[in-house]
Amino acid sequence: DSGVTQTPKHLITATGQRVTLRCSPRSGDLSVYWYQQSLDQGLQFLIHYYNGEERAKGNILERFSAQQFPDLHSELNLSSLELGDSALYFCASSKLQGARTEAFFGQGTRLTVV
Amino acid sequence: GQSLEQPSEVTAVEGAIVQINCTYQTSGFYGLSWYQQHDGGAPTFLSYNALDGLEETGRFSSFLSRSDSYGYLLLQELQMKDSASYFCAVPDSSYKLIFGSGTRLLVRP
Repeated sequence: DSGVTQTPKHLITATGQRVTLRCSPRSGDLSVYWYQQSLDQGLQFLIHYYNGEERAKGNILERFSAQQFPDLHSELNLSSLELGDSALYFCASSKLQGARTEAFFGQGTRLTVV
Repeated sequence: GQSLEQPSEVTAVEGAIVQINCTYQTSGFYGLSWYQQHDGGAPTFLSYNALDGLEETGRFSSFLSRSDSYGYLLLQELQMKDSASYFCAVPDSSYKLIFGSGTRLLVRP
């Protein structure tokens, strides 16, 4: 158990809908990263928050948004869902900015858009 | 920007040694990490190299050559449970943690 909690584990929704994925980082970790992993693909960096502030953005679609709350949990919002958004979404946390030693991953949320 | 290259697939026999290579291009260098991911599972941290040389952790070792922008993960005494995908990753100066496309390791009996 990495100590990072993601909910829900599975989500099935229709095209055009909006969903919210939640992540609770390890106790004491200030950084949260979000990644998208499509079938048999690598981990695509979406966004990084540190202590409530956005620090870096990857190729995140405008339909996607995220935030980190004062209690350090983070939410990833996906709207106007398309079939191609079906993927595993991971969050990871680390103590420092930049995860220059290690990042701890949650078990992921498997999103299926039908 | 950052880019990392790894072989897409490697096959080895149980009990053997396998090396997974990673070359990288970065605008600044803050270390090279390795992660393991079993099918359907979460990536888990294996090792981190900030300086040149070999770091050993049990059956796994990781090597870095900053002058060659190159590193590798060495897995010894391969076991069936080592069949997984292995990712190299680099953090950059803008606080992104970028992963390579991953190497799928298949261990055969």
